[in-house]
Amino acid sequence: DVKVTQSSRYLVKRTGEKVFLECVQDMDHENMFWYRQDPGLGLRLIYFSYDVKMKEKGDIPEGYSVSREKKERFSLILESASTNQTSMYLCASSFERGTNTGELFFGEGSRLTVL
Amino acid sequence: GQNIDQPTEMTATEGAIVQINCTYQTSGFNGLFWYQQHAGEAPTFLSYNVLDGLEEKGRFSSFLSRSKGYSYLLLKELQMKDSASYLCAVRVSGYSTLTFGKGTMLLVSP
Repeated sequence: DVKVTQSSRYLVKRTGEKVFLECVQDMDHENMFWYRQDPGLGLRLIYFSYDVKMKEKGDIPEGYSVSREKKERFSLILESASTNQTSMYLCASSFERGTNTGELFFGEGSRLTVL
Repeated sequence: GQNIDQPTEMTATEGAIVQINCTYQTSGFNGLFWYQQHAGEAPTFLSYNVLDGLEEKGRFSSFLSRSKGYSYLLLKELQMKDSASYLCAVRVSGYSTLTFGKGTMLLVSP
């Protein structure tokens, strides 16, 4: 089974703090993604990566950065947390080879509260 | 960009059949996905359609009409555990990313 593991299920941080959200997948997937999920807004893509050291902006990258130094690990960084970044953050991975569908496999999520 | 619409909430009775609709507008369509998400849990993959027609997988079926920009998820013999949010997502050609609708919360009552 594919396993996508997010380092923290719940975090509480203060405004202005630097926040790191870590994600590790164990299936050698090329693609990794960070989404945030908010009531009434659904899942929105923040950043994604197709390969090591490669990153692409999603729909809402402002206030975030990412790092992918190793294939299995994709980190989301909030340089200076703000209250409007209080949300559920979901990491996902996928691969596309042959006839597979390319579906996303999600981690359990990290619920971040910024005070 | 893409625009994906699905109803916000639906209710149904245990044992019944429910159909959750999804309409989308996009260029370069390359697949439609349905996910199930229970409260407080990660979304889990249910189905994938890239060609027109019906895909059946046990109690769940998914239909796609590319010309109409329309899909539905059909859940048969509803069970209480089917109470969850159902997410429709579209992939565009040349990209691995999925764009999600806002989700449909399904409540199954006894």
